[in-house]
Amino acid sequence: GENVEQHPSTLSVQEGDSAVIKCTYSDSASNYFPWYKQELGKGPQLIIDIRSNVGEKKDQRIAVTLNKTAKHFSLHITETQPEDSAVYFCAAPPGGSYIPTFGRGTSLIVHP
Amino acid sequence: NAGVMQNPRHLVRRRGQEARLRCSPMKGHSHVYWYRQLPEEGLKFMVYLQKENIIDESGMPKERFSAEFPKEGPSILRIQQVVRGDSAAYFCASSPIERETQYFGPGTRLLVL
Repeated sequence: GENVEQHPSTLSVQEGDSAVIKCTYSDSASNYFPWYKQELGKGPQLIIDIRSNVGEKKDQRIAVTLNKTAKHFSLHITETQPEDSAVYFCAAPPGGSYIPTFGRGTSLIVHP
Repeated sequence: NAGVMQNPRHLVRRRGQEARLRCSPMKGHSHVYWYRQLPEEGLKFMVYLQKENIIDESGMPKERFSAEFPKEGPSILRIQQVVRGDSAAYFCASSPIERETQYFGPGTRLLVL
């Protein structure tokens, strides 16, 4: 099975700073890596994903990087805003599977 | 295009009662997944269904829990004889085909008294 480790568990930044959340995975056959944002009392919402045929993907202030050799991928948020405060989850389905294994989440707090 | 819908959003049950959680996938999605989330933890997979079929129930407890996705109507996650340890948020997700991005509903928060 897949093992996904996510760090840090809590991240506190000042508005305007950058935030980086890292995940490692164990199954070298994994090829799809989504990131979800979960606000209090709501369901997880997909914010960005990356497939193993690319090393980086950007969407405005959000970017994801993937290092397949090292088996880790990271979420980068630039110019953070208070509304970015939420819990962020990484996920990775094992190769050949459709069921993602989720990290334990990172609580991001952006102080105005 | 409405998103994944779940109801009820909050459900309170006493120990021993039954809980029924409903999930309507996004339009055009025929794959449904159920997850459970405990406080301060990530999402744990429970069951994966397609219309009228259970594809993978490896994450669902063998007793008291069952799931269905009938030809017509929403998917149902049923918990019989609930216990306090069943208190959690239950999320449903859907995708158009397998191995595609899953889109989550708002969840049902179950509290067992």
